[in-house]
Amino acid sequence: SAVISQKPSRDICQRGTSLTIQCQVDSQVTMMFWYRQQPGQSLTLIATANQGSEATYESGFVIDKFPISRPNLTFSTLTVSNMSPEDSSIYLCSVKQSYEQYFGPGTRLTVT
Amino acid sequence: GDSVTQMEGPVTLSEEAFLTINCTYTATGYPSLFWYVQYPGEGLQLLLKATKADDKGSNKGFEATYRKETTSFHLEKGSVQVSDSAVYFCALTDNNNDMRFGAGTRLTVKP
Repeated sequence: SAVISQKPSRDICQRGTSLTIQCQVDSQVTMMFWYRQQPGQSLTLIATANQGSEATYESGFVIDKFPISRPNLTFSTLTVSNMSPEDSSIYLCSVKQSYEQYFGPGTRLTVT
Repeated sequence: GDSVTQMEGPVTLSEEAFLTINCTYTATGYPSLFWYVQYPGEGLQLLLKATKADDKGSNKGFEATYRKETTSFHLEKGSVQVSDSAVYFCALTDNNNDMRFGAGTRLTVKP
């Protein structure tokens, strides 16, 4: 199984600023995903980030707002840019390995 | 595309009651099916899974059977405990792509 860590675990940010969330995996994985979980809601896929290619964004999410880096097979970052209170959510990193999907503990973001 | 429809709840039960949370899916291929649990203030944990038709996933007294004929993967537990209070998510993946989640069902078990 893959063990995923995320930094920061939580943050409170001001409107208009940006936050970069880091995701570290304890093994090499090809497929990595970023999800958002808004308060009281289910998980929504933001983008798929495979190493060696540009991230693929889901409908409603754009690269200018959520730029993603994937420099190697164990690490990725998601930036939430020009934040507004509507961006207050839990952001989760996830990887697929051997047909199973594992999730990080999440980053709880509050935008004031 | 592939999707999951889940009984939304919230569901409130007394301790030792029988639990069923309904989940149906739509998929073009042969997906793997999952139940995840999210305890208050914690991250998402895999509860159980089934990778092909008629498979039964089980864990911690919870069970779900992959029913291809009814495209369902209902979660059941014979006797719930207060500690089972959490949000439960049904999910699927076709193994080549990301996981798709249902809306989640909040379960509260009262002593």
